[in-house]
Amino acid sequence: RKEVEQDPGPFNVPEGATVAFNCTYSNSASQSFFWYRQDCRKEPKLLMSVYSSGNEDGRFTAQLNRASQYISLLIRDSKLSDSATYLCVVNRNSGYALNFGKGTSLLVTP
Amino acid sequence: NAGVTQTPKFQVLKTGQSMTLQCAQDMNHEYMSWYRQDPGMGLRLIHYSVGAGITDQGEVPNGYNVSRSTTEDFPLRLLSAAPSQTSVYFCASSYGGAANYGYTFGSGTRLTVV
Repeated sequence: RKEVEQDPGPFNVPEGATVAFNCTYSNSASQSFFWYRQDCRKEPKLLMSVYSSGNEDGRFTAQLNRASQYISLLIRDSKLSDSATYLCVVNRNSGYALNFGKGTSLLVTP
Repeated sequence: NAGVTQTPKFQVLKTGQSMTLQCAQDMNHEYMSWYRQDPGMGLRLIHYSVGAGITDQGEVPNGYNVSRSTTEDFPLRLLSAAPSQTSVYFCASSYGGAANYGYTFGSGTRLTVV
């Protein structure tokens, strides 16, 4: 089983739509969880950390379910500029390095 | 504040050649890592370092060496380039460790081995 698994998509949604991405991880000892965004041919950039209680940053909401080892990202009121690949990220055993999912591709259309 | 700087941005090597990919950060980050990104494979960890003088292997270390003589620099050496090492290489750093803050990435080095 891969350490971090994501639905690769692509997700094609119209502007203004709400879209949700899911991710599962295999290491029950993982303590740190993130969503990164990667634009085409660019480096990944931290979108938000994911906390046990769930957290929100503007139009973005992240949830963590430790019992099911499941992370989600919800994007409300999608913008054209949200088009990118979203990477689910979990810390490795050592805590010092990260395991990345392969990413979910989002295309927001006019 | 330059962040994480990688050089070169592009490189073409012949099979068997060696080279060093440079990575420098000016944020006084303790933790640094090298990843490679291939289509359909996602980002895979090559080597990482938790401080000057301390390095460890990631999931795909074969064919690569690293050293960390200063906090700022974390070069990645390809010993004898192979076509399978054609990839985009990203260097990343973090202040408090990935566990707390996640990583800041450099803009990448696109390497082609022919």
